[in-house]
Amino acid sequence: EPEVTQTPSHQVTQMGQEVILRCVPISNHLYFYWYRQILGQKVEFLVSFYNNEISEKSEIFDDQFSVERPDGSNFTLKIRSTKLEDSAMYFCASIVGTVSGYTFGSGTRLTVV
Amino acid sequence: GENVEQHPSTLSVQEGDSAVIKCTYSDSASNYFPWYKQELGKGPQLIIDIRSNVGEKKDQRIAVTLNKTAKHFSLHITETQPEDSAVYFCAASLPPGNTPLVFGKGTRLSVIA
Repeated sequence: EPEVTQTPSHQVTQMGQEVILRCVPISNHLYFYWYRQILGQKVEFLVSFYNNEISEKSEIFDDQFSVERPDGSNFTLKIRSTKLEDSAMYFCASIVGTVSGYTFGSGTRLTVV
Repeated sequence: GENVEQHPSTLSVQEGDSAVIKCTYSDSASNYFPWYKQELGKGPQLIIDIRSNVGEKKDQRIAVTLNKTAKHFSLHITETQPEDSAVYFCAASLPPGNTPLVFGKGTRLSVIA
């Protein structure tokens, strides 16, 4: 069964450093998303991406965050200057169209120290 | 915006018994309601979903019911097994189907052998 692949599985970074989280969505999917989950809390939407541009973003997704699809397969989330409160699991998800379900990756655990 | 409430936060059942998890949503325009199972260290995995033109959907031991008038939907797991132990999240989204998911806070289900 096709999967959404995320790397790395765990990233530890110092406060103030830049991090890039990587995702390879399912190949025929058209819509891409980043969600995050702070330990023990609900999954929260960050940003959606379609046709090489952001289609929607939450209030969490401030100017410290950016997304990019640099080639035909990768979808990245960059956090410019990490804060302690950015520590969370970050999930990438994709869907093929407007009538399909979301497929989530297994996540990247980001720890900011 | 949409708000999803989920109850209970924890649920313990004996193996073989049924488990029911309930969610309510606030925006009557929401039309897609998936349920996700999350095992430790993994991403959310879609287990069943329902759209607003259907009142009930079943897949083997799992069923979801939707009451549009009351704006609530429920997950029913029958003949529970130890491997059903996980955190279950409900979610809702607005049309057209690629809009971001709004998640409930999750239910930690423990099936006791």
